[in-house]
Amino acid sequence: NAGVIQTPRHKVTGKGQEATLWCEPISGHSAVFWYRQTIVQGLEFLTYFRNQAPIDDSGMPKERFSAQMPNQSHSTLKIQSTQPQDSAVYLCASSLGGAETLYFGSGTRLTVL
Amino acid sequence: GEKVEQHQSTLSVREGDSAVINCTYTDTASSYFPWYKQEAGKSLHFVIDIRSNVDRKQSQRLTVLLDKKAKRFSLHITATQPEDSAIYFCAASMPNYNVLYFGSGTKLTVEP
Repeated sequence: NAGVIQTPRHKVTGKGQEATLWCEPISGHSAVFWYRQTIVQGLEFLTYFRNQAPIDDSGMPKERFSAQMPNQSHSTLKIQSTQPQDSAVYLCASSLGGAETLYFGSGTRLTVL
Repeated sequence: GEKVEQHQSTLSVREGDSAVINCTYTDTASSYFPWYKQEAGKSLHFVIDIRSNVDRKQSQRLTVLLDKKAKRFSLHITATQPEDSAIYFCAASMPNYNVLYFGSGTKLTVEP
């Protein structure tokens, strides 16, 4: 079991460009969570899927962020028109279905210049 | 929504001593309280949790205490070792709502 796989590990974009982050959850896990980690804000919840259906996106900035889970083996987080304040480590986690024992990926460090 | 606070940003102890990390939460409906550890350069991993139907849970050198009246919970690590050095995050979630809200983290340093 390779754990939760996130790609790329690092991404550098210019201001205004688009960034797509990928997450492959652990096989058999039905819940996928996206969090953002910064020094200033800490760990912020972004969005959550269960059985591929979006359940809660209350943490997503409304205008430029979107997330999808087209199949049970991957989820994507897309940020349009990236801004310097989007720079963060984006963490994906999966679980068997609930909040218990989330398995986190290694994260994607996004740097917006 | 729920707000979880960790007031200690750093904590330093000597190897072999005990360490206590405290968290508070705001929503009385919260019922699940896990702790995660993040070692330098690595991602978070689960260490221990407690549910609101108990006030104490122990796993080897780790004990979690929950005080529902005070809306406070704490992680106690006994006989600390250098490998315990990490950032510890507490979190809370409500029943039937699977989102974890995390505290800001406490960096524990165990000095030899």
